[in-house]
Amino acid sequence: AQRVTQPEKLLSVFKGAPVELKCNYSYSGSPELFWYVQYSRQRLQLLLRHISRESIKGFTADLNKGETSFHLKKPFAQEEDSAMYYCALMDTGGFKTIFGAGTRLFVKA
Amino acid sequence: DTAVSQTPKYLVTQMGNDKSIKCEQNLGHDTMYWYKQDSKKFLKIMFSYNNKELIINETVPNRFSPKSPDKAHLNLHINSLELGDSAVYFCASSLGTVNEKLFFGSGTQLSVL
Repeated sequence: AQRVTQPEKLLSVFKGAPVELKCNYSYSGSPELFWYVQYSRQRLQLLLRHISRESIKGFTADLNKGETSFHLKKPFAQEEDSAMYYCALMDTGGFKTIFGAGTRLFVKA
Repeated sequence: DTAVSQTPKYLVTQMGNDKSIKCEQNLGHDTMYWYKQDSKKFLKIMFSYNNKELIINETVPNRFSPKSPDKAHLNLHINSLELGDSAVYFCASSLGTVNEKLFFGSGTQLSVL
């Protein structure tokens, strides 16, 4: 079954510290993976997707097929990174995107 | 210009009532969706429409009936509202279905009393 697991509901780090938000997936085919972010009082929006291998706002994510993981990383967290982060997997045959439960990131001053 | 807009933003109603949430996108996308976000912030897909045709119905009760009059609109009608329907409902759209990112509306917070 297709599944996205984000084991941490809440992650709290100090400003300037490295941050890693974990994401593991279960999918039989070749996955298309995304990270979405929801800042306070803003709509959910795409942060990055694995196929474009881009870095947005200092965040990167590498697809590890062996570990079926797509962890989101940033070397130096900023206060404005505080938000809800969702890892998501697009079911290429099924017209749907499956989301993990989300991780709330708090970056403390 | 808001890309995906949904109304109303807040909806407070009594159990047993019928209510609708409207969604419109001006991005020219072919695919639209409804997602439900529960109190624990878990996002779950409910419906997916492609070119006005229902593609996905994720075992949603019959009380929920989506309607897509055209590609740009996907409305959600809910009959006989129950307490458990209280959640935030998000409309979203995408250009296609392969490696396409989702554009979300701002959500409708439904509270059933």
